[in-house]
Amino acid sequence: AQSVSQHNHHVILSEAASLELGCNYSYGGTVNLFWYVQYPGQHLQLLLKYFSGDPLVKGIKGFEAEFIKSKFSFNLRKPSVQWSDTAEYFCAVNGGAGNMLTFGGGTRLMVKP
Amino acid sequence: EAGVAQSPRYKIIEKRQSVAFWCNPISGHATLYWYQQILGQGPKLLIQFQNNGVVDDSQLPKDRFSAERLKGVDSTLKIQPAKLEDSAVYLCASSSMRASGGLEYNEQFFGPGTRLTVL
Repeated sequence: AQSVSQHNHHVILSEAASLELGCNYSYGGTVNLFWYVQYPGQHLQLLLKYFSGDPLVKGIKGFEAEFIKSKFSFNLRKPSVQWSDTAEYFCAVNGGAGNMLTFGGGTRLMVKP
Repeated sequence: EAGVAQSPRYKIIEKRQSVAFWCNPISGHATLYWYQQILGQGPKLLIQFQNNGVVDDSQLPKDRFSAERLKGVDSTLKIQPAKLEDSAVYLCASSSMRASGGLEYNEQFFGPGTRLTVL
């Protein structure tokens, strides 16, 4: 069975600070990795995804994530956060047959203006 | 394109009552998912349909939860009878195959969810 761990449950940053949210997964085979974001009052939206190739993937709104296979990690980063990045961020993994997504517990980010 | 539609958005019931949620996926999406998201946790898959057939329902508590997608389009999820621990947001998602850089992948689109409170 696959599982996903997000180590930071709550993060508070000031605007322009750099962001890194941790995500580790457990699955022995080939995985597809995702970060979803949920802004206050809105739906879950796909932020970025990794399937193969360059382990550094870029998503919307200046976010990027790096897949490090040896560490089973897929950390999300942004060099300079904005107040509008306040949201909850979910890491998810899809491994094995089918398209089942396993989500981490989420990280709630608050950016202070 | 129109997104995934869900109704109702909010529902409050007492324990042992029954409740049903409805989902209309994005047009043309063959795969439909129901997730349960308990406060403070990530979404957990309950059931996955491919057209009108069940692909995975291993995490669906079948003694009280049921779901159907009779015509392969919209779907209903029912809880009967509800327990206090069923209080959660129930998310519906649908997906289609997409191509990027020569690879095909399956991207899930989520609806707004139904927030269920069981008293």
